[in-house]
Amino acid sequence: AQKVTQAQTEISVVEKEDVTLDCVYETRDTTYYLFWYKQPPSGELVFLIRRNSFDEQNEISGRYSWNFQKSTSSFNFTITASQVVDSAVYFCALSEANFGNEKLTFGTGTRLTIIP
Amino acid sequence: DTGVSQDPRHKITKRGQNVTFRCDPISEHNRLYWYRQTLGQGPEFLTYFQNEAQLEKSRLLSDRFSAERPKGSFSTLEIQRTEQGDSAMYLCASSPSTASYEQYFGPGTRLTVT
Repeated sequence: AQKVTQAQTEISVVEKEDVTLDCVYETRDTTYYLFWYKQPPSGELVFLIRRNSFDEQNEISGRYSWNFQKSTSSFNFTITASQVVDSAVYFCALSEANFGNEKLTFGTGTRLTIIP
Repeated sequence: DTGVSQDPRHKITKRGQNVTFRCDPISEHNRLYWYRQTLGQGPEFLTYFQNEAQLEKSRLLSDRFSAERPKGSFSTLEIQRTEQGDSAMYLCASSPSTASYEQYFGPGTRLTVT
């Protein structure tokens, strides 16, 4: 069975600080996909990134970066120079590559608050 | 370009009543998913459609729940004889048939059972 653990329930940082959100996953599959979604106060889940299990390259997109380490089953997300607009709940998710039903298994989320 | 839409956005009902929610996926997305999200939790998978075929149902989906996707376009999720434990946000997501594995979520329907 798949499982995603986000041990940090809530994090608060002062604006412009860097912050890292942790994600640890469990799966028996050798082929899988990892995701991060953002859920702002409006409630709609916003896709941020998808990473497949064969690609361990770190990725950077503007102030966002992701560190995928298969050896520790982790897929951590770092926001550099945080801004108030980054305040949201962030979910890490896992999907088996079933070439059909790619249902997502989500973690419980980390609520990030950026203090101005 | 329109994203995934859901209707209604909010629904308050009394215990024992039936409710129905609608999801309109992104045009030409043939995969459609329903999830349920309770307070403080991540979304949990309920069911999956490939076109009009319902191919998987979670054990979370009790006999009181039924979902349809006639003609492979919009989908409906019906809950019969609602219980207070059904109170949650019901999220719909769609994705294209290509192996993109990226699901686009709608705004959700928040159900409150009193």
